[in-house]
Amino acid sequence: AQSVTQPDIHITVSEGASLELRCNYSYGATPYLFWYVQSPGQGLQLLLKYFSGDTLVQGIKGFEAEFKRSQSSFNLRKPSVHWSDAAEYFCAVGAQGSSNTGKLIFGQGTTLQVKP
Amino acid sequence: DTAVSQTPKYLVTQMGNDKSIKCEQNLGHDTMYWYKQDSKKFLKIMFSYNNKELIINETVPNRFSPKSPDKAHLNLHINSLELGDSAVYFCASSQVLTEQYFGPGTRLTVT
Repeated sequence: AQSVTQPDIHITVSEGASLELRCNYSYGATPYLFWYVQSPGQGLQLLLKYFSGDTLVQGIKGFEAEFKRSQSSFNLRKPSVHWSDAAEYFCAVGAQGSSNTGKLIFGQGTTLQVKP
Repeated sequence: DTAVSQTPKYLVTQMGNDKSIKCEQNLGHDTMYWYKQDSKKFLKIMFSYNNKELIINETVPNRFSPKSPDKAHLNLHINSLELGDSAVYFCASSQVLTEQYFGPGTRLTVT
């Protein structure tokens, strides 16, 4: 069965420090992969996506993620965190090709807290 | 110029009532979705429509009925509301095989 695991429920980092949020997926075919961010009381905003090609993808707000097929991972990184990055982060996987119905499977989310 | 909008933003109602949530997108997308986010922030898809045709119908009580009058609108009607229906409901849209854009959410509280 398809699944997405975000092992870290809650992460606290100091402002200016680097960040890595982990995402592991279980999927039989080649997946589409996404990272979304949700600020308190807001909807989800797409940070970045991976469909094919270069396994290192750049997103908005200085985020990047690397797709590692051998590890079934799609970890999100940022070299220097800003206080405004405090939010909930969701990793999601979708199907490619004929299996694609648009259905996304989401991880349980990682809450990022930023210390001043 | 809101891309995906939902109304209302907050909805407080009593058990047994019937309520609707409306969603509109102005992105020209063909596909629209409803997601439920529970109190633990877990997101799960409920329904998806492509060009007004239902293509995803997850295991959702039949008290929930989506309606798509045109491809820019997808409404969610809920009958006989229960306490367990309290959640945040998100509408989203996409073109086929691409990323989804989410609305701001509707926080439903059933008392």
